[in-house]
Amino acid sequence: DGGITQSPKYLFRKEGQNVTLSCEQNLNHDAMYWYRQDPGQGLRLIYYSQIVNDFQKGDIAEGYSVSREKKESFPLTVTSAQKNPTAFYLCASSISSPDTQYFGPGTRLTVL
Amino acid sequence: DAKTTQPTSMDCAEGRAANLPCNHSTISGNEYVYWYRQIHSQGPQYIIHGLKNNETNEMASLIITEDRKSSTLILPHATLRDTAVYYCIVRVAEDTGRRALTFGSGTRLQVQP
Repeated sequence: DGGITQSPKYLFRKEGQNVTLSCEQNLNHDAMYWYRQDPGQGLRLIYYSQIVNDFQKGDIAEGYSVSREKKESFPLTVTSAQKNPTAFYLCASSISSPDTQYFGPGTRLTVL
Repeated sequence: DAKTTQPTSMDCAEGRAANLPCNHSTISGNEYVYWYRQIHSQGPQYIIHGLKNNETNEMASLIITEDRKSSTLILPHATLRDTAVYYCIVRVAEDTGRRALTFGSGTRLQVQP
C-alpha cells in the first residue's frame, strides 16, 4: 500500500525543546517537501529535497532543520530558535516534473 | 509562477455540479494549471492538472479557456464529502530547481444537503 506517512498526528512540546517530525514515503519519489500551515492560511514551504543528501531552504526555513539520508525519509526538526512553532506541518513528495505532489496526513504541533 | 485569483467561498447543493473558477491572467505558455483540495485537518489531495486541453478524471473535469487566462474545476455530482478548500495553482512544466507548490487562500466549497 503506497503512500506518505507522518507521525505522530498530534505532538505537544514545551517551549525551548527541539522536536523532530517524521515523514516516510514508499512511492519511490525523488523529491520531498515540508510545508507549514497556520489557521485559515495557505501552505508555506519550509525545506525541500530533490535527491538524497541534498536539500534546499524554502520561504520560511529559519528555526528548522532537515536531513535526507535515505530516499524514503525526510525528517524535520523544529528547533528552539523557531519563534512560533505551533502549526500544522505537512510533508509531500513528487516524482519528476511536471509536479504532482502527494501529501501526508500532517502533524499538528503544539508548543506549550 | 503566475498568480491566481479564486473566490473566497462558494456553496453547492448536494448532487448538483460544483463549478469552481480560477483566474490566472499572467500565465505563461509553459505553465500548467493544477487543482488540489484540502479537507479540514487533512493533507491536501491532488485532483487534476492540465496545460491547454480540457482534462477529465474520476474525480473532476478541468476546463481551460482558449487564451488560458482562466479555468474552471467541475465536480459533476457534489457530495457532502466534497466540502473542502480548493486550491488552483499555476506551475512551470520544466524543472526550475525549485519544485515546490505555492498555495494561496483557495476557495472554501460548502456542499449543502
